Amino acid sequence: GAGVSQSPSNKVTEKGKDVELRCDPISGHTALYWYRQRLGQGLEFLIYFQGNSAPDKSGLPSDRFSAERTGESVSTLTIQRTQQEDSAVYLCASSVSPGRISGNTIYFGEGSWLTVV
Amino acid sequence: EDQVTQSPEALRLQEGESSSLNCSYTVSGLRGLFWYRQDPGKGPEFLFTLYSAGEEKEKERLKATLTKKESFLHITAPKPEDSATYLCAVQVRMNRDDKIIFGKGTRLHILP
Repeated sequence: GAGVSQSPSNKVTEKGKDVELRCDPISGHTALYWYRQRLGQGLEFLIYFQGNSAPDKSGLPSDRFSAERTGESVSTLTIQRTQQEDSAVYLCASSVSPGRISGNTIYFGEGSWLTVV
Repeated sequence: EDQVTQSPEALRLQEGESSSLNCSYTVSGLRGLFWYRQDPGKGPEFLFTLYSAGEEKEKERLKATLTKKESFLHITAPKPEDSATYLCAVQVRMNRDDKIIFGKGTRLHILP
């Protein structure tokens, strides 16, 4: 597609439930990122996928968070046993080049707004 | 430790009042610096990429500049529609893949 697509755009869930957030990167982009942004705060890196390499999971805040990516396409971020502090917007981004290219611009989707009640 | 610091955290200007936002960085192996604009409820929108000290890029009322320690986003005669959060990010050389580090952003509010 023309841009990074995320779904759902909004999700309200009860505390303790599992949620899945989906990201469709820009076609041809090999790198995919997930970030979390709490209200009024900066971007918090969660996880990075690059091609068939092992993902960089260093930003995942707990073992309740996991992410998968199928080849160089769709990615799913899963949050198990959601807590109120998980409420945030989850942003997906993708870039065309492997990480070692200078000026590797990343492009963002509009985010999935998660509210845990 | 690699760091990106943006200042000020928030800035209120009158329409037409020019100013600059700062992004200072302490990183090893800078491979690119990016500016994004983020409107409330939206994902960040890419504005500029700068590669090396001395480089400048312009788009409408915005001009981004880069030195070896910092970048400035200059806003000339801003309009209310320029109100947004402006994010700076740097691409840093790492062992396997490069790393992208974001600043916390500057919230800009232009008063009519």
